Amino acid sequence: TQLLEQSPQFLSIQEGENLTVYCNSSSVFSSLQWYRQEPGEGPVLLVTVVTGGEVKKLKRLTFQFGDARKDSSLHITAAQPGDTGLYLCASHGADRGSTLGRLYFGRGTQLTVWP
Amino acid sequence: EAGVAQSPRYKIIEKRQSVAFWCNPISGHATLYWYQQILGQGPKLLIQFQNNGVVDDSQLPKDRFSAERLKGVDSTLKIQPAKLEDSAVYLCASTREQAADTDTQYFGPGTRLTVL
Repeated sequence: TQLLEQSPQFLSIQEGENLTVYCNSSSVFSSLQWYRQEPGEGPVLLVTVVTGGEVKKLKRLTFQFGDARKDSSLHITAAQPGDTGLYLCASHGADRGSTLGRLYFGRGTQLTVWP
Repeated sequence: EAGVAQSPRYKIIEKRQSVAFWCNPISGHATLYWYQQILGQGPKLLIQFQNNGVVDDSQLPKDRFSAERLKGVDSTLKIQPAKLEDSAVYLCASTREQAADTDTQYFGPGTRLTVL
């Protein structure tokens, strides 16, 4: 069973500030995904990282995959109220016993950006 | 392209009652998932279908939960009888082809269940 730990659990900031949230595990990930979930909606995929050390950018969001593929971070520059939501990391699992396609989610970081 | 549809969006029942949720995945998507998301937690997989066959139901509480996808398209998830701890959002997701680790899972808006 994959255990994905996300921190912080809650983050409340002012518009324009920068922030970083983290996703860690004791296991090696085959790949890792970041999702954003808004109230009353399902999670929406932001990015998939596969290669250790990989960095992907999506406008003001920067995603980094650790060299050892055990951790990942999401950095948001100049946060805006529209960034408010639950940020979830998820992995399909590193062990070969995992069902193909099955996703394991962390508990998420609830981000609130105030105008 | 229409997204994953779920109904109802909200349901309030008393404990020991029964409830059913419906999901219509994106057209042509072979794999369908049901997740349970308890408040303050990430989604947890309950069951995964490949077409109309069950791939993984290891986390489904089979004494009270059941799910089916008879024609390989729509799916229903049933709880009978419901317990207080079943209060959660039930999310349906689908992927385009046979499940692969790089496939994008598309989620529906979920059904929020409250058990009183």
